[in-house]
Amino acid sequence: EIVLTQSPGTLSLSPGERATLSCRASQSVSSSFLAWYQQRPGQAPRLLIYGASSRATGIPDRFSGSGSGTDFTLTISRLEPEDFAVYYCQQYGNSPLFTFGPGTKVDIK
Amino acid sequence: QVQLQESGPGLVKPSETLSLTCTVSGGSVTTGSYYWSWIRQSPGKGLEWIGYIDYSGRTDYNPTLKSRVTISVDTSKNQFSLRLSSVTAADTVVYYCARASPLAFDLWGQGTMVTVSS
Repeated sequence: EIVLTQSPGTLSLSPGERATLSCRASQSVSSSFLAWYQQRPGQAPRLLIYGASSRATGIPDRFSGSGSGTDFTLTISRLEPEDFAVYYCQQYGNSPLFTFGPGTKVDIK
Repeated sequence: QVQLQESGPGLVKPSETLSLTCTVSGGSVTTGSYYWSWIRQSPGKGLEWIGYIDYSGRTDYNPTLKSRVTISVDTSKNQFSLRLSSVTAADTVVYYCARASPLAFDLWGQGTMVTVSS
């Protein structure tokens, strides 16, 4: 099983600042198979990035994804008030077919 | 646009079977190469993929739950369902239905909380 580790656990930033979130896999993951989600309180997760770097439909361009192999990054260029949430990475392709990281909470400093 | 909505009992007794249904509106469960999935979320364990059924009826389950899980589809009602047997307090979590297309989950239901208690 591929285990995803996310860091930091919590990121405290101010609106307008840049957020850099890390997702590390215990084994190499194809870039095509790495996704990122945002979850606001009381809501279901929302797909932000798929294929490591492709934005999902309707996602603002302040969200970007990068990385390969075992190290992936989600960057939010300038935090908006609605961006304070929990972010999860997810991989596809090994048993179990889908696994998620534990999440990074971005909260207001 | 396509929407998903979970339904089912919010309270299940220990050792009994949890049954949830996801209704797909604005689209068809038989359309395209999608994996119609169930995912659950607990504060302690985060997001856990339970399993999926695809348009052909093929299924795949998380090995940690495989012995207790059945996912089925009812094309006449445009629904897919989850059955989780022999539930315990550890199964008290929020359950989501979701669509994977097929490498990531691009569509989610709102989620439903299920409590296992006598």
